[in-house]
Amino acid sequence: EPEVTQTPSHQVTQMGQEVILRCVPISNHLYFYWYRQILGQKVEFLVSFYNNEISEKSEIFDDQFSVERPDGSNFTLKIRSTKLEDSAMYFCASRGEGNQPQHFGDGTRLSIL
Amino acid sequence: DQQVKQNSPSLSVQEGRISILNCDYTNSMFDYFLWYKKYPAEGPTFLISISSIKDKNEDGRFTVFLNKSAKHLSLHIVPSQPGDSAVYFCAASARFIGGATNKLIFGTGTLLAVQP
Repeated sequence: EPEVTQTPSHQVTQMGQEVILRCVPISNHLYFYWYRQILGQKVEFLVSFYNNEISEKSEIFDDQFSVERPDGSNFTLKIRSTKLEDSAMYFCASRGEGNQPQHFGDGTRLSIL
Repeated sequence: DQQVKQNSPSLSVQEGRISILNCDYTNSMFDYFLWYKKYPAEGPTFLISISSIKDKNEDGRFTVFLNKSAKHLSLHIVPSQPGDSAVYFCAASARFIGGATNKLIFGTGTLLAVQP
């Protein structure tokens, strides 16, 4: 069964450094998402991406965040200057057309020191 | 912002019995509801969904019930198996609001433990 894959599984970064989280969505999917889950809290929506542009972003997704689909298969989340509060699990999701559920990757655990 | 609530943080059930997980929502614009199952160190796995035009959807051992007037949905697992032990998340979206987003709003999750 096709799946969403995320790399790396764990990323440790110094505060203030840039980090790029990578995702390969399911191949025929057109809608892409990033969510995060801070330890002990809910899974929260960050951003959605369709037709090569952001379709919606949350308040969390400020100027330090950006997303890109550079080559038709990868979907990346970049945090330009990481803060301690960016430490969380980051989940990528994708879905197909119509009434389809979102499918999630196994996440990247981001630890900011 | 508690738009989707799962008031039971945990539930323990004997193998073979029914597990009932509950979820409440406040936003009347939600029209699509999903249940996800999550094991530690894995991402949420889609289980079953229901559109607001229905009040029940069944898939094998899993049935989701939607009560729109009460803004309540539930997931029934019959019979429960030890492999069902996981965190179950309820999620909701308003599909036709705001364009192509369909962002999911998640509950806090319920940890289900099925005892052999």
